[in-house]
Amino acid sequence: DTEVTQTPKHLVMGMTNKKSLKCEQHMGHRAMYWYKQKAKKPPELMFVYSYEKLSINESVPSRFSPECPNSSLLNLHLHALQPEDSALYLCASSQVGRLAVETQYFGPGTRLLVL
Amino acid sequence: AQKITQTQPGMFVQEKEAVTLDCTYDTSDPSYGLFWYKQPSSGEMIFLIYQGSYDQQNATEGRYSLNFQKARKSANLVISASQLGDSAMYFCAMRTQGAQKLVFGQGTRLTINP
Repeated sequence: DTEVTQTPKHLVMGMTNKKSLKCEQHMGHRAMYWYKQKAKKPPELMFVYSYEKLSINESVPSRFSPECPNSSLLNLHLHALQPEDSALYLCASSQVGRLAVETQYFGPGTRLLVL
Repeated sequence: AQKITQTQPGMFVQEKEAVTLDCTYDTSDPSYGLFWYKQPSSGEMIFLIYQGSYDQQNATEGRYSLNFQKARKSANLVISASQLGDSAMYFCAMRTQGAQKLVFGQGTRLTINP
């Protein structure tokens, strides 16, 4: 089963709101990722967690706050977002190890609109 | 630095024809993996096929095959007998050994016409 789930599917929020995106995987993967994707562009890496520890932060503004409560769950907390943060947010997971098994499997994404 | 180039912004193909999506890459690392993903309009990135830099044979997965030419640094995706459901954005991506970051190309929008 190569399923990564994300909730919610769609989210509309004001610039003063606080919301969270959730991601879950049950593949035993120990690396989890957040990507941001604007229309007609490739995904851009935001954060990587490896063994529940933050290993990569691609200079993401502090209004985005990731959290990895356990090896299956990944959250992205949103606060004081800007309209330009409107995008598709994708979660992915992979094993940590040899290249051949490090395929990243993506969830269906959350479409975020900031008003 | 690693780079992926996809030179075809859009392609139009008749149903049941084979289609080749181009991908060239640049890296100085001898150990790397190449990936193709499909992204329908729904948004989910669907993993299609993987090729390792040391693999002797081209990867195949059902109707998908990867034409890997290491000397030319190309990793083209071939879809045989295209179907209407193949209409989507296709991304080529690369990951080098020890790096957690997946580097994506700009993508190719494939449209299958009936």
